[in-house]
Amino acid sequence: EVQLVESGGGLVQPGGSLRLSCAASGFTFSRYWMSWVRQAPGKGLEWVANMKQDGSEKYYVDSVKGRFTISRDNAKNSLYLQMNSLRAEDTAVYYCAREVSESTALADWGKGTTVTVSS
Amino acid sequence: AIQLTQSPSSLSASIGDRVTITCRASQGISSALAWYQQKPGKAPKLLIYDASSLESGVPSRFSGSGSGTDFTLTISSLQPEDFATYYCQQCNSYPITFGQGTRLEIK
Repeated sequence: EVQLVESGGGLVQPGGSLRLSCAASGFTFSRYWMSWVRQAPGKGLEWVANMKQDGSEKYYVDSVKGRFTISRDNAKNSLYLQMNSLRAEDTAVYYCAREVSESTALADWGKGTTVTVSS
Repeated sequence: AIQLTQSPSSLSASIGDRVTITCRASQGISSALAWYQQKPGKAPKLLIYDASSLESGVPSRFSGSGSGTDFTLTISSLQPEDFATYYCQQCNSYPITFGQGTRLEIK
């Protein structure tokens, strides 16, 4: 059974930093693209970033470019999102998701971790 | 960025009804479209990918169609567990984008 477990969320002041982690199990992590998707309170889904199996390709939504960095450790079956210069509008539930092979459709999702940016 | 517009934004329907939700892309995306179901407080669930491929384990009452700019998600006979919010997602180009969602409510 595929499991994705996010951690690292919390309350942070504007301008602060957080590092989210996603622990993967139940599948061969190194074979899949992985994504982060967020959902602000009461709002829709917003794709944030994704990363190729070997880390050679990464893509970001414009609103986080230069502030967020996606990374992975295939030996630890883990995905990360380093978030710097956080803003109030980054407040959301952040989901880790596994992409369908040959597509960026998101086949499996974690339960999410909540990030709140507030003073 | 490719914009996706879903219609309607909300919908009331009864058990057993046939329901169709539409997703229109601001430019052609071939068949690179996925549909998700999300219930309150839960993560989204993939229903359809590549516009019409049913994800494993998803009931056959769900179907998807379309290509280019116009897509539909159809639920052939609504069940109580289908009342949720539905999102489309384009998988054609970066940045990946989602529609704004369609909330399906019980009439």
